[in-house]
Amino acid sequence: QVQLVQSGAEVKKPGSSVRVSCKASGGNFKSYGIHWVRQAPGQGLEWMGGIIPVFGTADYAQRFQGRVTITADESTSTVYMELRSLRSEDTAVFYCARDRVRGGSGMFDYWGQGTLVIVSS
Amino acid sequence: ESVLTQSPGTLSLSPGQRATLSCRASQSVTYNYLAWYQQKPGQAPRLLIYGASSRATGVPDRFSGSGSGTDFTLTISRLEPEDFAVYYCQHYGNSPTFGQGTKLEI
Repeated sequence: QVQLVQSGAEVKKPGSSVRVSCKASGGNFKSYGIHWVRQAPGQGLEWMGGIIPVFGTADYAQRFQGRVTITADESTSTVYMELRSLRSEDTAVFYCARDRVRGGSGMFDYWGQGTLVIVSS
Repeated sequence: ESVLTQSPGTLSLSPGQRATLSCRASQSVTYNYLAWYQQKPGQAPRLLIYGASSRATGVPDRFSGSGSGTDFTLTISRLEPEDFAVYYCQHYGNSPTFGQGTKLEI
């Protein structure tokens, strides 16, 4: 059974950065994309980007380009998402999610539990 | 990038009734790459439907998806108490996008 376990909640100052981790177990880590989805309080879902570990390069949503970096560590089956230049509007729950289809699809069948990031001075 | 518009924003129904949720895309959805997710408060989303009409593993058959091109529908044939949640459509592929959601409430 695939499991995605995310790191814990964070409180950050405006202008700083946050790195959230997503550790995968129970499946083929290398060949399935892991993506990040943001959900602001009371709002909908927003795709930020994703990576297929075996390929190593990430794709990003245009609105986050230049501010987010997604990396994968195959040795620990962990994917990281770093978001820089944080502002109050970045306060949200961040989810990692796995592609349903090997090689990537952008459709997600396994999700992490979510990580709350609060940006406040 | 395709914009997905879901309607209605909120749907008020009772257990046992039929629910029909709509998702309209600003551009034709290629290969019917349209998925539906259910999200309950405090939980991660759950994949229900992919390919516009295929149920994901473990999804009850009261959930069905239909549509093509730019117009898609999620139907819940007979609502159970646990079906009251927020539902999102998604155009998946290279740059996935989500609709704004429909809240299904009692």
